[in-house]
Amino acid sequence: DAGITQSPRHKVTETGTPVTLRCHQTENHRYMYWYRQDPGHGLRLIHYSYGVKDTDKGEVSDGYSVSRSKTEDFLLTLESATSSQTSVYFCAISESGAGNQPQHFGDGTRLSIL
Amino acid sequence: RKEVEQDPGPFNVPEGATVAFNCTYSNSASQSFFWYRQDCRKEPKLLMSVYSSGNEDGRFTAQLNRASQYISLLIRDSKLSDSATYLCVVAYYGGSQGNLIFGKGTKLSVKP
Repeated sequence: DAGITQSPRHKVTETGTPVTLRCHQTENHRYMYWYRQDPGHGLRLIHYSYGVKDTDKGEVSDGYSVSRSKTEDFLLTLESATSSQTSVYFCAISESGAGNQPQHFGDGTRLSIL
Repeated sequence: RKEVEQDPGPFNVPEGATVAFNCTYSNSASQSFFWYRQDCRKEPKLLMSVYSSGNEDGRFTAQLNRASQYISLLIRDSKLSDSATYLCVVAYYGGSQGNLIFGKGTKLSVKP
């Protein structure tokens, strides 16, 4: 399995609080991604990174920010969590961003916003 | 909007059966295609990449029909362990960055 670790694995928090999810990889892949998965929807891209300090928005980026200060770490921050952000969050990595290489996923973080 | 459509199922089949899933995509410029499987409460895992007209890996065969814009996944001699949700994934290229668009998945349940 690809060396991807997400933390925390589970989190319950209250509306309005800040939340940061961490993705750590040991594969030295350039590209990293954050997705959310909700019932009735496919995986939806939140943000992605194509290098240290290089990030861009995905399909559902509102309410989320990201940072990548090191190749191995990609952080997802909910500045002020809302109940609509209750979801399962997956981090993914890939060698290439051209789309011709598959992405490999971490175990996921289950986030509940009360 | 770029779309990837799958029959959500569930497909309930007995062990040993052959089952096929179809997936349609809307953007004819798509270049790469993948099938992932996702077990309940787990992460998606790559099952197969489909780069040309199709490929085979053991009991699994993926086929690509670019003219009709669909991809299929055939599972022969189904096992109980094949029970999972199968995600069809299509890669789109935009500017300098390609992105993957995920279907909502087809649920397969293999019964004894």
